[in-house]
Amino acid sequence: GEDVEQSLFLSVREGDSSVINCTYTDSSSTYLYWYKQEPGAGLQLLTYIFSNMDMKQDQRLTVLLNKKDKHLSLRIADTQTGDSAIYFCAGSYGQNFVFGPGTRLSVLP
Amino acid sequence: NAGVMQNPRHLVRRRGQEARLRCSPMKGHSHVYWYRQLPEEGLKFMVYLQKENIIDESGMPKERFSAEFPKEGPSILRIQQVVRGDSAAYFCASSPRNGEVDYNEQFFGPGTRLTVL
Repeated sequence: GEDVEQSLFLSVREGDSSVINCTYTDSSSTYLYWYKQEPGAGLQLLTYIFSNMDMKQDQRLTVLLNKKDKHLSLRIADTQTGDSAIYFCAGSYGQNFVFGPGTRLSVLP
Repeated sequence: NAGVMQNPRHLVRRRGQEARLRCSPMKGHSHVYWYRQLPEEGLKFMVYLQKENIIDESGMPKERFSAEFPKEGPSILRIQQVVRGDSAAYFCASSPRNGEVDYNEQFFGPGTRLTVL
């Protein structure tokens, strides 16, 4: 079955850029997503990218997709303390979503 | 328009008891998904339901777990004879349409955290 992998932890200083990486094995996903989970809360959709796109920018967020390498990344510019959370990448395969294990982003003052 | 609602938010059960988790999808959404999140892990798909129908239960354990989404009322995830390994956060998501054809945003509830003593 599909496997989605992410590094588990990332620490950055406030004001720096954060780059969260994700790799996947099944390239049949039509859309790829980034979700944010704050402590004790559900998942909030941050952004998504259609599989025939290479890049999508949305304010401080930039998503890069390299289909050849099956690599997805999320860049957060000017990272703030409010960005501290767990970030999940996910692919949709029919009705099912397959999530990575999540990257815990810590923003240091 | 209220978001996806789940209750209870926290549930404590002793081994062997039953756990019932409820999910009310967003207004106008007829597709419900249940996921389980073990500590330090991502979400694992369990089951996908539409009103009165189970569409895909490939991620649900064959024994002790069941799900329903009746014509009226919330979707229910039922776990019978709970064991310690069932301790996890259970998330429900809803969407307005089938994900096969179109962009499929799933809106997540806050989750129910089940602790089995």
